Amino acid sequence: DTGVSQDPRHKITKRGQNVTFRCDPISEHNRLYWYRQTLGQGPEFLTYFQNEAQLEKSRLLSDRFSAERPKGSFSTLEIQRTEQGDSAMYLCAGGDSLANTEAFFGQGTRLTVV
Amino acid sequence: QQQVKQSPQSLIVQKGGISIINCAYENTAFDYFPWYQQFPGKGPALLIAIRPDVSEKKEGRFTISFNKSAKQFSLHIMDSQPGDSATYFCAARWRAGSYQLTFGKGTKLSVIP
Repeated sequence: DTGVSQDPRHKITKRGQNVTFRCDPISEHNRLYWYRQTLGQGPEFLTYFQNEAQLEKSRLLSDRFSAERPKGSFSTLEIQRTEQGDSAMYLCAGGDSLANTEAFFGQGTRLTVV
Repeated sequence: QQQVKQSPQSLIVQKGGISIINCAYENTAFDYFPWYQQFPGKGPALLIAIRPDVSEKKEGRFTISFNKSAKQFSLHIMDSQPGDSATYFCAARWRAGSYQLTFGKGTKLSVIP
């Protein structure tokens, strides 16, 4: 158990709807990452937070995607006007910059857009 | 170039055999090379990791071999067990900025009794 929890585990939504996912890392994780994984592929980096500041965003993160990490604790990832191409596993990972540890992943949220 | 190339795509090994998965990278800005194990429907779990100043690291049945000059690294699973059947991903971490991971495409390992 990495201590990183994600909610919900599964989400089915109709195309055009908005969805929001939540990630709760452990308190030591001042670094927080969102990755996306499609079937048969490795995870791809989406965005990175250092505490509450969003410091880096991938080109994969279109304008329909927004992420927040208020108060440097939990994080949310929102997708607006979902498209079928958004169907994927959305993974959250936490890390501790002081200990310079590797990223620890949560179980992910499986999104299916129908 | 951010690519990490992983091979083979799939691997079938008999119980007790050695599983070998290879990865290669191009960018020298990577400073840390972890391997993750992923079961269906689960998130990737860190298995073992190595820094480029070390040529080999062993943890139990799992060994990473690292060749800095060739920009290649590999995972060896000794005495492979059916419970090792999973998808394995190599990754490389940027040494600055976000320290994001760049993953290979994965190797699906099946260990048959």
